[in-house]
Amino acid sequence: QVQLQESGPGLVKPSETLSLTCAVSDYSISSGYSWGWIRQPPGKGLEWIGSIHHSGSTDYNPSLKSRVTISVDTSKNQFSLKVTSVTAADTAVYYCARLGRTGASAGTLDSWGQGTLVTVSS
Amino acid sequence: EIVMTQSPATLSVSPGERATLSCRASQSVSSNLAWYQQKPGQAPRLLIYGASTRATGIPARFSGSGSGTEFTLTISSLQSEDFAVYYCQQYNNWPPGGIAFGQGTRLEIK
Repeated sequence: QVQLQESGPGLVKPSETLSLTCAVSDYSISSGYSWGWIRQPPGKGLEWIGSIHHSGSTDYNPSLKSRVTISVDTSKNQFSLKVTSVTAADTAVYYCARLGRTGASAGTLDSWGQGTLVTVSS
Repeated sequence: EIVMTQSPATLSVSPGERATLSCRASQSVSSNLAWYQQKPGQAPRLLIYGASTRATGIPARFSGSGSGTEFTLTISSLQSEDFAVYYCQQYNNWPPGGIAFGQGTRLEIK
């Protein structure tokens, strides 16, 4: 059973860059699958941020694309998220997840991390 | 950009009864539709994919139907642990192309 764990600063100042890492255990990222980031503002719904294939190809939410970078480090079995020029609107619980890769499940989020709250405030 | 709309925003149902949740896509997503359950303080859990296939370990009281733009999640005989927020998600043409969630339906005890 794959395990995912987010880590990173819980507080980021406005205009700075939010950086998070998702460590994957019990599965080698380089073996396949795509890996994604989703966020959820307090009391609100889920928002797709983007994904990265183990080969390095990426796919981003158009509304965030200009500020988001997702990268993968297969040597550390982890992938990362950077969001630049953050504002209070970027305050959210950030989740990492694995995307299904076969048939009808390709694009579904079948395993999730527990989430980490990032607050943007001075 | 495909927009997903869920209804109702809140659904009040008594334990043991049936709950029917709806999800509509702004354009066809074929059968590339998933449902998730989220309980307070927890990450979402995949329930249904391909519009109607239950994910591993999901009880048979959860069922999904629909295709194109109209989808339904039905929970027969509600159990206490089923009261939660439910999200639909489209993943048509991924990758590339977007993934989008509905705004959620809160299922509460009547």
